Amino acid sequence: AQKVTQAQTEISVVEKEDVTLDCVYETRDTTYYLFWYKQPPSGELVFLIRRNSFDEQNEISGRYSWNFQKSTSSFNFTITASQVVDSAVYFCALSGANAGGTSYGKLTFGQGTILTVHP
Amino acid sequence: GAVVSQHPSRVICKSGTSVKIECRSLDFQATTMFWYRQFPKQSLMLMATSNEGSKATYEQGVEKDKFLINHASLTLSTLTVTSAHPEDSSFYICSASPAYRASQYFGPGTRLLVL
Repeated sequence: AQKVTQAQTEISVVEKEDVTLDCVYETRDTTYYLFWYKQPPSGELVFLIRRNSFDEQNEISGRYSWNFQKSTSSFNFTITASQVVDSAVYFCALSGANAGGTSYGKLTFGQGTILTVHP
Repeated sequence: GAVVSQHPSRVICKSGTSVKIECRSLDFQATTMFWYRQFPKQSLMLMATSNEGSKATYEQGVEKDKFLINHASLTLSTLTVTSAHPEDSSFYICSASPAYRASQYFGPGTRLLVL
């Protein structure tokens, strides 16, 4: 069985602060993919990043960065210099894959973290 | 590329009626699509896997006779909520992916309100 845990239910910060959203996962698959999605009030999921289990390099995209630590089964997401527009619900998700790296497609989502950035 | 649409975006219906939600992959073919449900302030939960040309696979606890899934073509899957009740009010989201990509592409979702 797969499980994704986002222990932080809600986070509130003031604009320009840095904020880290935690994600811990469990899976029996040796190959898997990890994702982060943003869900604004409209409800539509906005894809942020995909990371496969063999790639532990951290990634930076503008104000966003991700820290994948396979040893601790964590895939944390940091927003630097947060802005009001970053306010949303953020989901971490996991999908298993076969030995060849083909994703099974279905995602297991964490509970989500509500991020509120105040001006 | 890799756009998924859903229709309708919002639907209000009376208790006891059936509601059909469409999920279309606009620029790719998808042999498999996924249906998720999200209750207010909760996470997305997988309901079922829609397989083109064969029966859907339902997750534990999801009533297959209540949530009918039809995947008649490589670009269209439909979810029909039969005899809808207020507790079925939720946000329904589908996803699909081209065969060569690891990422799922999500539709914009359908908000169902059953009165």
